[in-house]
Amino acid sequence: QSVLTQPPSVSAAPGQKVTISCSGSSSNIGRNHVSWYQQLPGTAPKLLLYDNNERPSGIPDRFSGSKSGMSATLGITGLQTGDEADYHCGTWDSSLSAVVFGGGTKLTVL
Amino acid sequence: QVQLQESGPGLVKPSETLSLTCTVSRDTISSSPYYWAWIRQPPGKGLEWIGNIYYTGSTLYNPSLKSRVTISVDTSKNQFSLRLTSVSAADAAVYYCSKEVDPGAMGFQHWGQGTLVTVSS
Repeated sequence: QSVLTQPPSVSAAPGQKVTISCSGSSSNIGRNHVSWYQQLPGTAPKLLLYDNNERPSGIPDRFSGSKSGMSATLGITGLQTGDEADYHCGTWDSSLSAVVFGGGTKLTVL
Repeated sequence: QVQLQESGPGLVKPSETLSLTCTVSRDTISSSPYYWAWIRQPPGKGLEWIGNIYYTGSTLYNPSLKSRVTISVDTSKNQFSLRLTSVSAADAAVYYCSKEVDPGAMGFQHWGQGTLVTVSS
């Protein structure tokens, strides 16, 4: 059981936009920054966004992040088949004194 | 671009100790004010943070694993290591070492390729 809650799966057509939610509590998302990771099958996670909406160099602006209250959202526009992957959110939990992650969301590009 | 590489036994017996090492290249742990982390992922499941070590050697551990975990750094070899005692089947996972994106920022940017650890007698 993950501390952060993500939908198990989402899907959308190529070229469309999709959003993935990450729900937490006042001790984690409610007071700390969120990061998002893309994990292609059989590979290590790749950082897409940190500090809610900052993109590391090399990450296209098709990927965006937002946070409101105790939830965060990853948005992906102009979907490509290469975006099919698992997406994970993570943050610091001030009550647990631990980095916590969501269970991951599998994105299917139909 | 910093590179990280995990190494260690892929098979550990129940109740024994899991030991992994992360070798860092193109960066120097001791002079880099960043957190270095161990993160694991059981097959088919989500990510689980194990703990961080700061370049000074100070550590943070996941409370759920704290009694069994030790993370240490060997600056002479530019490596940091993980020891997890009394392993069980629940500890079977792909283990990753990682480096945070920026000091104090929330995010792990650099990752090793991961190493699969199986727990079996």
